[in-house]
Amino acid sequence: KQEVTQIPAALSVPEGENLVLNCSFTDSAIYNLQWFRQDPGKGLTSLLLIQSSQREQTSGRLNASLDKSSGRSTLYIAASQPGDSATYLCAVRGGNFNKFYFGSGTKLNVKP
Amino acid sequence: EAQVTQNPRYLITVTGKKLTVTCSQNMNHEYMSWYRQDPGLGLRQIYYSMNVEVTDKGDVPEGYKVSRKEKRNFPLILESPSPNQTSLYFCASSSKTGATNEKLFFGSGTQLSVL
Repeated sequence: KQEVTQIPAALSVPEGENLVLNCSFTDSAIYNLQWFRQDPGKGLTSLLLIQSSQREQTSGRLNASLDKSSGRSTLYIAASQPGDSATYLCAVRGGNFNKFYFGSGTKLNVKP
Repeated sequence: EAQVTQNPRYLITVTGKKLTVTCSQNMNHEYMSWYRQDPGLGLRQIYYSMNVEVTDKGDVPEGYKVSRKEKRNFPLILESPSPNQTSLYFCASSSKTGATNEKLFFGSGTQLSVL
């Protein structure tokens, strides 16, 4: 069964720092990987989706990479801002195409 | 506005009292699914549906039922809720189950407490 792990579980940084969030998965037979943002008491918002054939995706200050063979993905946030404070989750779509597997998330706090 | 709508937002009930959480999407998505989110366990898939009248179990289906009679609606039914089903529930949808580049859209969640 696919297992998704996110490290660290929590991260606190001063405003302006560049940072990297990590996601690892045990089964490399995936269709895609998504990074989500979750604010307290809210639903999940998709940030970036990387197809299994891609290596990276970029949106504004966010860059996500995928190394399928090693079962790893990273989310790079440039010039962090207090508004980036949230929990970031990664999810893989794999195995049975219609199943999603989520990590437990990294809770990010960006201090002004 | 494209969205996934869940109701209710908060629900407190007692053990054994049947309840339904509704989910509706306005994006004509074929794929819909339900998740529960628990501290330390992340999101776990309960059920999913690939299209009308097509549903299948996720990783934690015990104690739950679903139906997909219309493309836009995918209700979650707890026939006899128990305290261990206290959790934050999310409905999600995406289009084109055969495409690898379709994002998953989430509702705002339903916080359920079973006393």
